Amino acid sequence: QSVLTQSPSVSGAPGQRVTISCTGSSSNIGANHDVHWYQQLSGAAPKLLIYAYNNRPSGVPDRFSGSKSGTSASLVISGLQAEDEADYYCQSYDRSLSGFWVFGGGTRLTVL
Amino acid sequence: QVQLQESGPGLVKPSQTLSLTCTVSGGSISSGSYCWNWIRQPAGKGLEWVGRVCASGSTTYNPSLKSRVTISVDTSKNQFSLRLNSMTAADTAVYYCARATDGVYYYFDYWGQGTLATVSS
Repeated sequence: QSVLTQSPSVSGAPGQRVTISCTGSSSNIGANHDVHWYQQLSGAAPKLLIYAYNNRPSGVPDRFSGSKSGTSASLVISGLQAEDEADYYCQSYDRSLSGFWVFGGGTRLTVL
Repeated sequence: QVQLQESGPGLVKPSQTLSLTCTVSGGSISSGSYCWNWIRQPAGKGLEWVGRVCASGSTTYNPSLKSRVTISVDTSKNQFSLRLNSMTAADTAVYYCARATDGVYYYFDYWGQGTLATVSS
């Protein structure tokens, strides 16, 4: 069971907009710890997609954006494309126990 | 361009110790404010942060694994290593090494391709 909760799956047609949510608590996202997002294509290593809520590394299209509200964060993908089909993970820091980095359980995006 | 590559035996017997190494190329492991991490992923499941060693030599471990994990760095070889003892089937996973910057924001910007470690007799 992951510290950060994500819906197992989401789907959308090409061109549509989808939102992937990541719900935490007062010991992680709610404590203003930064949230980052990763994309994992089938059989590949995760790739950094969004860092510090809404910043994109070089090469990541601006169709990907992030936000945060309270104890949750969201990843929005606009203008959905077939190559966006992948697993998406959120990541933050949890200050419980001695403090450690945590991931969401992942959301599988299917492009219809 | 920084590159990371995991190596180590793919098969470990129950109760034995997993030893993996991550070789870093394209930059010095001891330069800058970087931390070097291990992250694992059981088949069909999500990611779990295992632990890290920073350029300063300090280590931090996932509390759920802390009693069994040791992460160390060999600057002469530009490598860092993971040792996980008392392995069980629950430790079967793809193990990734990844770099993070020990700054205001802590995220994993470079990843290795991952190596599968299977626990089986």
